[in-house]
Amino acid sequence: EVQLVESGGGLVQPGRSLRLSCAASGFTFDDYAMHWVRQAPGKGLEWVSGISWNSGSIGYADSVKGRFTISRDNAKNSLYLQMNSLRAEDTALYYCAKDNYGSGRGDFDYWGQGTLVTVSS
Amino acid sequence: QSALTQPASVSGSPGQSITISCTGTSSDVGGYNYVSWYQQHPGKAPKLMIYDVSNRPSGVSNRFSGSKSGNTASLTISGLQAEDEADYYCSSYTSSSTLCVVFGGGTKLTVL
Repeated sequence: EVQLVESGGGLVQPGRSLRLSCAASGFTFDDYAMHWVRQAPGKGLEWVSGISWNSGSIGYADSVKGRFTISRDNAKNSLYLQMNSLRAEDTALYYCAKDNYGSGRGDFDYWGQGTLVTVSS
Repeated sequence: QSALTQPASVSGSPGQSITISCTGTSSDVGGYNYVSWYQQHPGKAPKLMIYDVSNRPSGVSNRFSGSKSGNTASLTISGLQAEDEADYYCSSYTSSSTLCVVFGGGTKLTVL
């Protein structure tokens, strides 16, 4: 059974940093691209960042480019999102999502339950 | 990275069919056959319903179907059931940047 378990969310002040983690199991992690998708309270889904199976291709939404860094450790079956210079508008539930393809095409066939990030003073 | 355009809401009666549109550009929906559709019930994680424009994952009802014409993709749900009431989102791979994906704003489906 595929499982994606996010952690690392919490309350943080504007301008501070936070690191999210996603522990994956139930599939061959290093065969697939992985992504972070967020959802602000009461709002729609927003793609945040994606990384290919071998970290050779990485992409970011314009809204987080230069502030967030995605990475993965295939030996630990884990995905990460380093979030710096956090803003109030980054407040959201952050989902880890598995891509259906190694190169990353945006077909998210499995999702975690999300970890909540709240940016507030 | 402009969001794809979806209607804010659609509705239908049980047994009827509805279609949700998702309009993008030649850089996303029109340029790639990598359009997906997701169903999200309140308080739950999204669920993949259609991928690569018209493919259904294992376990998804054949009442759900997808198609694309030009820059617009569509999700059709036939034989509406009460449990289909949810938010639906489309997404597409986009060439605006390396490994970049864009979502639609979401459509609230109400089963009357």
